[in-house]
Amino acid sequence: AQSVSQHNHHVILSEAASLELGCNYSYGGTVNLFWYVQYPGQHLQLLLKYFSGDPLVKGIKGFEAEFIKSKFSFNLRKPSVQWSDTAEYFCAVNARNTGFQKLVFGTGTRLLVSP
Amino acid sequence: NAGVTQTPKFRVLKTGQSMTLLCAQDMNHEYMYWYRQDPGMGLRLIHYSVGEGTTAKGEVPDGYNVSRLKKQNFLLGLESAAPSQTSVYFCASSYSSIVTYEQYFGPGTRLTVT
Repeated sequence: AQSVSQHNHHVILSEAASLELGCNYSYGGTVNLFWYVQYPGQHLQLLLKYFSGDPLVKGIKGFEAEFIKSKFSFNLRKPSVQWSDTAEYFCAVNARNTGFQKLVFGTGTRLLVSP
Repeated sequence: NAGVTQTPKFRVLKTGQSMTLLCAQDMNHEYMYWYRQDPGMGLRLIHYSVGEGTTAKGEVPDGYNVSRLKKQNFLLGLESAAPSQTSVYFCASSYSSIVTYEQYFGPGTRLTVT
């Protein structure tokens, strides 16, 4: 069965620090990869997605992620975080073997950015 | 465009009571999903539907039933609520195209079972 691992459960950074959140998945076939963000008290919003092509994907609010197929990874990065980036971040994968019908989510990383 | 809406936003139930959560989308999406979100466990898929009149089990279907009688609505039912079903429930929808396989989420329903 597919699984998604986010090894950092809680991250605390100061404003202007660089961010990298890890995401690894277990499925070896064709996958689509996503990062969603959930701001406090809000619903999930799409941050960025990878379907094919350039493995470096740019999303909203200065976030980017790099798909490294050989490492089964899709890490999220931001060069300089802001207080407003405080949120929970979820990596998610769907795979060709399920007809791309179902998303499998990681357990999430809570990011706290101190001003 | 309201997107994905959920009713109610909050609910408190006693053990053994039943309730139905309603999800509605106005984007003409084929696929709809119900998830539960619990601390430290991310989002787990309860049931999903790939079209009107169809439903399928997800990762944690026990204790829940669903129906998709209309394309725009997806109902989640709890027949006999248990404290283990205390959670935040999210509905989502998406197109059926592989090219744009992004799920759009509703605002969530916070359910407490005492």
